[in-house]
Amino acid sequence: GENVEQHPSTLSVQEGDSAVIKCTYSDSASNYFPWYKQELGKGPQLIIDIRSNVGEKKDQRIAVTLNKTAKHFSLHITETQPEDSAVYFCAALMGNTPLVFGKGTRLSVIA
Amino acid sequence: GAGVSQSPSNKVTEKGKDVELRCDPISGHTALYWYRQSLGQGLEFLIYFQGNSAPDKSGLPSDRFSAERTGGSVSTLTIQRTQQEDSAVYLCASSLQGGVAEAFFGQGTRLTVV
Repeated sequence: GENVEQHPSTLSVQEGDSAVIKCTYSDSASNYFPWYKQELGKGPQLIIDIRSNVGEKKDQRIAVTLNKTAKHFSLHITETQPEDSAVYFCAALMGNTPLVFGKGTRLSVIA
Repeated sequence: GAGVSQSPSNKVTEKGKDVELRCDPISGHTALYWYRQSLGQGLEFLIYFQGNSAPDKSGLPSDRFSAERTGGSVSTLTIQRTQQEDSAVYLCASSLQGGVAEAFFGQGTRLTVV
């Protein structure tokens, strides 16, 4: 089955700097890659996703890149703000199967 | 409501008791998932319902865990003879359909077994 590895597990950045979180997946048939943000005491919230026919997608300060050959995808947050502090999860999905999640990255943005 | 609703939000139970956790998915969503999140850990898949198909139960950790989805809508996750290691946040998600459709999560049920 699919396996998703996520790095780093924790990340601290200064406010205004960029943050990058990286994930790799094992199954080349995976075709959908969402990113979720989880704040304390809440369920994960979808923030951006990318499908296998696209290499990059951007939404304001957030962007995701996908390299299908290398089987890795990354989340980029620019101009970080304190409210970006949360746990971020990547996931991969193949066809009609459940999402497989990475173990998460705890991002701290220091004001 | 507009989102996925889970109840209760918190549940404390004694070891050995049975518990039922409820999930109301977004109206019209045919796919429903249960995940478990232990303290500081990632999301562990438990079970997946898609329309009228047989559920994918491959993630259930033991036969003490079971889930139903009645009428293609509300789902109940049941844990029998709870153990301390069952303590976790149980998250439910739904999507318009299985496959490459966005999944939306509820706020979770925090289960504590004492």
